[in-house]
Amino acid sequence: QKEVEQDPGPLSVPEGAIVSLNCTYSNSAFQYFMWYRQYSRKGPELLMYTYSSGNKEDGRFTAQVDKSSKYISLFIRDSQPSDSATYLCAMSLTSSASKIIFGSGTRLSIRP
Amino acid sequence: GAVVSQHPSWVICKSGTSVKIECRSLDFQATTMFWYRQFPKQSLMLMATSNEGSKATYEQGVEKDKFLINHASLTLSTLTVTSAHPEDSSFYICSASRRGTETQYFGPGTRLLVL
Repeated sequence: QKEVEQDPGPLSVPEGAIVSLNCTYSNSAFQYFMWYRQYSRKGPELLMYTYSSGNKEDGRFTAQVDKSSKYISLFIRDSQPSDSATYLCAMSLTSSASKIIFGSGTRLSIRP
Repeated sequence: GAVVSQHPSWVICKSGTSVKIECRSLDFQATTMFWYRQFPKQSLMLMATSNEGSKATYEQGVEKDKFLINHASLTLSTLTVTSAHPEDSSFYICSASRRGTETQYFGPGTRLLVL
């Protein structure tokens, strides 16, 4: 069993829809949870960073962490074609500046 | 701030040759740098962690004699793929973190193709 599980997609939604991306994990010791966006042939870009359980909102993006269920989510409101990318969930034990375990990524396509 | 660059952005080499990839933090001092490898449609896999002035720590299954990492200064780390083979063809990405922050900043990646 992988430490972090993420549906690879692809996920295709119309412009303006709410997108829900999810990951599950097996190691209850993870404390830091991140979402990265990666465009084709580019390095990952940090979108959201959360410590422990709870919600965090930044513009159109909301990250949720449920440590009791070992489940994290990223919601994208009012999705735009420019949001089309691969979204990687990631987590680490001590801090996001230490070893990060990535999910396999979900390919998202927003249809105009 | 917190820009990380990589050079070259892509490289093609013959089997058996060595290739060096540079990772630079342009506007901050990186106390720790990380090297990842990503195969098509797969996630990033950590290869090694390097701290400035120290030997790199390699992940299980990564050959340290094949993937030489040098973190000679607070702004530069290099990854040398020695005696490259076609199976080493991949997307290599570095990241850097600075003391006192909670974030890794990723470079744009280097695509390596070994013929």
